[in-house]
Amino acid sequence: QKEVEQNSGPLSVPEGAIASLNCTYSDRGSQSFFWYRQYSGKSPELIMSIYSNGDKEDGRFTAQLNKASQYVSLLIRDSQPSDSATYLCACSRAAGNKLTFGGGTRVLVKP
Amino acid sequence: DGGITQSPKYLFRKEGQNVTLSCEQNLNHDAMYWYRQDPGQGLRLIYYSQIVNDFQKGDIAEGYSVSREKKESFPLTVTSAQKNPTAFYLCASSFRDRGSQPQHFGDGTRLSIL
Repeated sequence: QKEVEQNSGPLSVPEGAIASLNCTYSDRGSQSFFWYRQYSGKSPELIMSIYSNGDKEDGRFTAQLNKASQYVSLLIRDSQPSDSATYLCACSRAAGNKLTFGGGTRVLVKP
Repeated sequence: DGGITQSPKYLFRKEGQNVTLSCEQNLNHDAMYWYRQDPGQGLRLIYYSQIVNDFQKGDIAEGYSVSREKKESFPLTVTSAQKNPTAFYLCASSFRDRGSQPQHFGDGTRLSIL
C-alpha cells in the first residue's frame, strides 16, 4: 500500500464546473498537508496547505481535511482551462520535515 | 528577488560519468531537499538536510551523494552507480522551526543519458 494515494485520472471536467480531487494517507502521525499544482514539464507550485480538520478556502480552491478518516481533498470551483494540470497531494509529520507525495491526479478542464 | 535556483536546466550524462546538479536558495531557509520525478509519477525523496553539515538519506539515496557546506547550497551528485538516472530532479527548501512551513521548489533539472 502506498503511503499517499491519489487517483491518477485524468479527471475531466467542463469549464465552470467543480473539480473534486481526493487523497488518502496511511501515516497517522501526519500533521501537515499540502496540495501542489504541476503543469506539464514544470516544477510543483504550492496552492494550498491545511493543518486542522475541516475546510480551508482560498479563492476558487477549498481544501478539506479529515484526520480520523485519513483523508484530504481539494475542490476547484469554477474550473478554468488554465486549471488543467497534475495536482499532487503531500503530507509531512512535522514542520520543515520531509514530504511524502502521492502520484498525482491529472485534471483536464474542457472549454 | 528571492527564490531557488537550479542549474543546469538540462544535463546529459555519459556512461561511467558522475554529474553534479546545483541548487542555491536565497530565502534563508534552513532545510533543503532533493526529489526525483519519473514520467507520470509523483516525487520521491533522495536526500534532505535540516542544517549545515548534516544530511539524511531519503527513500532512494543509492547512487546519489550530497553535501551541505553552506546554508544556501545543496548540490546533488549523480554517480555512475545510479544505473537509471534519466529523470526530472527537483530541489526544494523550507524553514525548519517556524511552524508548519511548506516546501518551495526550484525549476528543476532534466537529466538524460547520452
